[in-house]
Amino acid sequence: KQEVTQIPAALSVPEGENLVLNCSFTDSAIYNLQWFRQDPGKGLTSLLLIQSSQREQTSGRLNASLDKSSGRSTLYIAASQPGDSATYLCAVPWANTDKLIFGTGTRLQVFP
Amino acid sequence: DAGVIQSPRHEVTEMGQEVTLRCKPISGHDYLFWYRQTMMRGLELLIYFNNNVPIDDSGMPEDRFSAKMPNASFSTLKIQPSEPRDSAVYFCASCPGSGSRNEQFFGPGTRLTVL
Repeated sequence: KQEVTQIPAALSVPEGENLVLNCSFTDSAIYNLQWFRQDPGKGLTSLLLIQSSQREQTSGRLNASLDKSSGRSTLYIAASQPGDSATYLCAVPWANTDKLIFGTGTRLQVFP
Repeated sequence: DAGVIQSPRHEVTEMGQEVTLRCKPISGHDYLFWYRQTMMRGLELLIYFNNNVPIDDSGMPEDRFSAKMPNASFSTLKIQPSEPRDSAVYFCASCPGSGSRNEQFFGPGTRLTVL
């Protein structure tokens, strides 16, 4: 059974800090991993999709890495801004199906 | 493209009433997913379709829930009769394909309150 864990559950930092959000999964037989952002009362926005053949994927100030063998992914946010405040979720496909298993999320607050 | 469209955005109803939630996926996407999100249980997959055919409905909580996809551009999730414990945010998502192409795009959600 695939289980996805995110640490920390919540994070509060001053503007400008570089951040690392962690995602771990128990079944390493995945073909990709997706990071999402969810603002309060809103839907999920896809940030990055990293394929199993990739080790990193970058979009602007965001960088996601994937280490299948250790069952881990990290989302790195450079020079954080108050607008980055949101909940960040990672998700992996379950057992080579198209069903996504979501982590419980990291709630990030960046204060000015 | 306008993205995944859901309606209504908010729905308040009384226990026992029928509720119908609607979704229009992104054009050209072969897969459509219905999720439910609550504080207690997080995001749960209810059902998903491939080319309008239901593939896995094991997440549908009980017979009161049903979903249809009559064509590639429209899907409904129906709850009949509704109960207070169905109160949640219901999301629809679509993706272009399977495997490495299964990047999912979410709609804004429908916030359902059953009194």
